[in-house]
Parts: sequence; C-alpha cells; structure tokens
Amino acid sequence: KNEVEQSPQNLTAQEGEFITINCSYSVGISALHWLQQHPGGGIVSLFMLSSGKKKHGRLIATINIQEKHSSLHITASHPRDSAVYICAVNFFGGSQGNLIFGKGTKLSVKP
Amino acid sequence: DSGVTQTPKHLITATGQRVTLRCSPRSGDLSVYWYQQSLDQGLQFLIQYYNGEERAKGNILERFSAQQFPDLHSELNLSSLELGDSALYFCASSVSPGAGGLTDTQYFGPGTRLTVL
Repeated sequence: KNEVEQSPQNLTAQEGEFITINCSYSVGISALHWLQQHPGGGIVSLFMLSSGKKKHGRLIATINIQEKHSSLHITASHPRDSAVYICAVNFFGGSQGNLIFGKGTKLSVKP
Repeated sequence: DSGVTQTPKHLITATGQRVTLRCSPRSGDLSVYWYQQSLDQGLQFLIQYYNGEERAKGNILERFSAQQFPDLHSELNLSSLELGDSALYFCASSVSPGAGGLTDTQYFGPGTRLTVL
C-alpha cells in the first residue's frame, strides 16, 4: 500500500526555535511536496523536490531517496509560521500526477 | 493568490440534494485535480482531468462526477448528498499531466466548504 507518514502530529514551539517536521513514504516516488495549510483553510505549495535540498527564506526541505525520507526545517520560527504542514508525494507506477497526502503536522509557535 | 479560483466559497445544503462546485485553473495550466478534505480522512484525491479528458480517478464515489470544459474550467457534481459528504473540496491545477514521472507544482484554489445538513 502506498503510504505517507508524518511526524510529529502536533508541535508547539517558542518563537525563535529551530523546527523539524519529518515525512517518510513506502515506495518509489517521482516527487515529494511540502504544503502549508493556513488556519483559514487555504493550501500553499512550499516545495517540490525529487532529490537533494531546497531553501526558501527560513524554510529548508531535504529529501533522502534511498531512505525514503524527507524533512522540512524552519529556522528562527515565528508565530506567523503557525499552520498545518502537509507532506505529499507522487508515487511511481502510474500515469497519474495526483498527490497522496500525509495526515499533516499542526505547528503552533508561541511568542 | 494561487491564480486558481473556486466557487462558491461556502455551500450549505440538505441530504439528498445535488450541488455543483466550479474551478478555474491558473492561466496556462491544462491539468485540474479535485481533492476532498474531511476531518476523519484528511486530504484525498478524487479525480484528475488533463486538457478536457479524464486522466486518473481516486477515491471518488459513484454519486460524484466531474468534467473539464473546452475553456479548461472544471466542475465537480455531487449528488444524493449524505451527511458524510460534508468537507472542504479543493481544486488544484498544474501545467503537466504528471505522466511518466513528469510532475510539477500543483497550485491550490481556496476551496469550497460543503455542509450537508
């Protein structure tokens, strides 16, 4: 079964802390996505990666294809980073581009 | 703003009714995806269209159907609604069909919140 697991499920941090959210998946993928869902419900794509590492501002995403694992890091966290972070993948083996999602990590950053 | 629009934003209806959700993709995107987000199931893929043709089906109920029109907007039709159909319905779009490992970023619309009473 093609699965995506995220940890932790919930995370509370103090402003300024370094945050790591983990994602693991079961079989080969063509790409992995990190998404951010705001409290109002909107979903924003943060990163799409198939290898290595990407950085955008205070956000860094890494992926290890051999270990089937990805991490999302937030440096110098801020209350505005409070959101649900969702890992999603495109699995190999089909012609679809559809995403399979993890259950999300709810992040709360306290001032 | 992702460039993907969805209407309506909120929809409240009764069991047994039928509703239509509408999505306009980003300019230039040919692929449209529909996703359902419920409290117990999380985000799930429903169906994908690419340039007017159905490309892939996920966990879409037989009571649900969709289509993509020549101007590339898409509609998701939900019929014989049940309480359990209450959810957020997202549309996303991308340039490519996602075939053969060619995937690209998907841009999500703001969602339609459906409440079935």
